[in-house]
Amino acid sequence: GAVVSQHPSWVICKSGTSVKIECRSLDFQATTMFWYRQFPKQSLMLMATSNEGSKATYEQGVEKDKFLINHASLTLSTLTVTSAHPEDSSFYICSARRGSVGYEQYFGPGTRLTVT
Amino acid sequence: QKEVEQNSGPLSVPEGAIASLNCTYSDRVSQSFFWYRQYSGKSPELIMSIYSNGDKEDGRFTAQLNKASQYVSLLIRDSQPSDSATYLCAVTEMGTYKYIFGTGTRLKVLA
Repeated sequence: GAVVSQHPSWVICKSGTSVKIECRSLDFQATTMFWYRQFPKQSLMLMATSNEGSKATYEQGVEKDKFLINHASLTLSTLTVTSAHPEDSSFYICSARRGSVGYEQYFGPGTRLTVT
Repeated sequence: QKEVEQNSGPLSVPEGAIASLNCTYSDRVSQSFFWYRQYSGKSPELIMSIYSNGDKEDGRFTAQLNKASQYVSLLIRDSQPSDSATYLCAVTEMGTYKYIFGTGTRLKVLA
């Protein structure tokens, strides 16, 4: 149990366009989902925390108008990178916390974004 | 600033040996601790969580927590080449479900 999927697994887009990444919990309800970004040879950096039906809470330095997060249901959260630039190229990973059980986060497989 | 520290490695151990990975954290009131394994180009995979002082065993893995000394460790017995990965320590921030990640220790198990 505790499977999280992400789609797409990789995407290439042109500078100035927007990209949407979906994160789904497949076999559990996720009251809280998290979005991370990871650059090569670095650790994960938390971008935002989203709770179902609420506005996302963004970490300091993360532009909320650029990285739009929607947690529309207990199994789906989306991250939209708006007006993407080459410096937004990174590995984006979501995670989900399973209901009210424990503090464990289960990670999706990640989405590799390349902006040309 | 709350921090989680790990030796970046690489830590090299021969196949069949015990690998010992350590993590220290600065926030004394942290309550939840996690070890993740991350293969190159992949996302983290949960190995173990630990909440109470002492040892917790799961197969070849043992997590050890000492809240007084503010460290948590992971022992991998009978290390295999497939254990070669980066191991991330994560600690929850008090009052939230957010993780604070260490920078990870790269483990190499030599065949």
